Amino acid sequence: KAGVTQTPRYLIKTRGQQVTLSCSPISGHRSVSWYQQTPGQGLQFLFEYFSETQRNKGNFPGRFSGRQFSNSRSEMNVSTLELGDSALYLCASRPSGQRDGYTFGSGTRLTVV
Amino acid sequence: QQQVKQSPQSLIVQKGGIPIINCAYENTAFDYFPWYQQFPGKGPALLIAIRPDVSEKKEGRFTISFNKSAKQFSLHIMDSQPGDSATYFCAASKNGANNLFFGTGTRLTVIP
Repeated sequence: KAGVTQTPRYLIKTRGQQVTLSCSPISGHRSVSWYQQTPGQGLQFLFEYFSETQRNKGNFPGRFSGRQFSNSRSEMNVSTLELGDSALYLCASRPSGQRDGYTFGSGTRLTVV
Repeated sequence: QQQVKQSPQSLIVQKGGIPIINCAYENTAFDYFPWYQQFPGKGPALLIAIRPDVSEKKEGRFTISFNKSAKQFSLHIMDSQPGDSATYFCAASKNGANNLFFGTGTRLTVIP
């Protein structure tokens, strides 16, 4: 069974640019969540999507957005990049109604220069 | 504001030792407490989880102890091995909410 796939694995962007990250969940998982991981803050929840609808949102500025497609694949977008956006962005998928079922991808390492 | 506080930040033990990682929370609405293990270059992987109706849960060499009145929970790793060297995160979530609040992580090193 394939795991959660995130692309690309690494990305370098310049301040002010925008970036789109992609996540393919485990087949059958309709819930996709995104987290930002930094050394200082640990893992912080960005948002969760279920059946193409944002179900929950963390405390991040509006520059961070996401969407989910009908096949459950999800993308997150960060506009007007800042140096502080440098982080590992993790996607997690799980089956509906199962809190134990979170499976994380290996993440996209974003570096803003 | 960190909703789940984790300590220590790093831990070094000898092979066979029993590292203990502690977490504390304030929000009494939390009712699910998982622990995740993360190796370099990988995403976190669920290790073990507990709900507040039990005080202890064991899975293999990993044990969670839960103290509801103190709002604290801890992870014990029995007979630790060098392969257990990783970063461990505690987390918590509320019923009806699907996001996890994570601790800041503990980097464990097990020396052969």
